[in-house]
Amino acid sequence: GAGVSQSPSNKVTEKGKDVELRCDPISGHTALYWYRQSLGQGLEFLIYFQGNSAPDKSGLPSDRFSAERTGGSVSTLTIQRTQQEDSAVYLCASSQGGTGSFEQYFGPGTRLTVT
Amino acid sequence: GEDVEQSLFLSVREGDSSVINCTYTDSSSTYLYWYKQEPGAGLQLLTYIFSNMDMKQDQRLTVLLNKKDKHLSLRIADTQTGDSAIYFCAERSGGYQKVTFGTGTKLQVIP
Repeated sequence: GAGVSQSPSNKVTEKGKDVELRCDPISGHTALYWYRQSLGQGLEFLIYFQGNSAPDKSGLPSDRFSAERTGGSVSTLTIQRTQQEDSAVYLCASSQGGTGSFEQYFGPGTRLTVT
Repeated sequence: GEDVEQSLFLSVREGDSSVINCTYTDSSSTYLYWYKQEPGAGLQLLTYIFSNMDMKQDQRLTVLLNKKDKHLSLRIADTQTGDSAIYFCAERSGGYQKVTFGTGTKLQVIP
């Protein structure tokens, strides 16, 4: 079946430009997460959605970062005025809502390079 | 806030057992997870354990949980070269769906 998909898979942008990263979660998954993984680093939590609302935005590094989710499905992570330190792999994951183990299913990631 | 720590690197010989360790700080953790990340890929759930358990076995994988010491381990029996990857420990607290990940342990399997 279809898993979590992300686009683009790779993005090279110039410093100062805006970028949009897209995540398509597994159908029916109400929870959606964005993480950032810098080279050789662990996963840095960015934001979490339950449905279309974001109960926890605590991980967004600065006000240049924003995210939205529409229709309880697709999510877009936007980075404005990109900086070189934004270069990383951005991972999206989704999980079922309700009670349970909340296994997260990850997409393959978008590798962002800011030159 | 929550914190999850792992050693960064582990090297083992093919056929030996691997033990990857993890410590966490949140005493209200309900689920603890092990994820595997192969090069260039996203994370894949290997196994998880509920906090009222102290052991879970799944084929070559054994998870041990010491809730008192907030210590989690993953043992891989008969480690194969295909097990080479980064292994992430993660924990979730209470009813909240946020999951906190460790920094990952890179497992190198020497043929």
